[in-house]
Amino acid sequence: AQTVTQSQPEMSVQEAETVTLSCTYDTSESNYYLFWYKQPPSRQMILVIRQEAYKQQNATENRFSVNFQKAAKSFSLKISDSQLGDTAMYFCASLTGTASKLTFGTGTRLQVTL
Amino acid sequence: EAGVVQSPRYKIIEKKQPVAFWCNPISGHNTLYWYLQNLGQGPELLIRYENEEAVDDSQLPKDRFSAERLKGVDSTLKIQPAELGDSAVYLCASSRWGGHTGELFFGEGSRLTVL
Repeated sequence: AQTVTQSQPEMSVQEAETVTLSCTYDTSESNYYLFWYKQPPSRQMILVIRQEAYKQQNATENRFSVNFQKAAKSFSLKISDSQLGDTAMYFCASLTGTASKLTFGTGTRLQVTL
Repeated sequence: EAGVVQSPRYKIIEKKQPVAFWCNPISGHNTLYWYLQNLGQGPELLIRYENEEAVDDSQLPKDRFSAERLKGVDSTLKIQPAELGDSAVYLCASSRWGGHTGELFFGEGSRLTVL
């Protein structure tokens, strides 16, 4: 069984600053993927960034990057130069090859302030 | 490219009444998902379709929930009868074959309130 844990229910960051959202996961599979999804208020959830477990290099998408610590089963998201539009719920999720099912964490509500 | 379309966006019903939600996935996406999102929680999978076949419905409460995906395109999720605890957001998502890359495209959701 997969589990995903997000221990920060809420976070706040000032515009243009950097924030890191934490996520830990647990899986017995050797082949899996990790994701961060963003859910803005009253809007659909979208994929922010994806990491394949077999890749050692941390994924980066513009201002979003991850710190993937495989041995520690940790997968944090760093948002640089935060913008007001980054205000949203952020969900960490895992996917194993055998299950083909995304398992989500409980989410972190990020508020970007002026 | 049009996104995943869900309706209705909001629904308020009395307990024991039936309710149905509709989803139109992105064109060409063979895999369709229904997720349940309770307040303050992450989405939980209810059912996954590959074309018209339900390949994972292990989390669907079959005593009151049903789903169908006729012709492998649109899908309907039904609850009958609804209970107070069913108040939640029902998300539909779609992906290309199997969703093995993990990139799901979500609709805006249908928010259900059961009184």
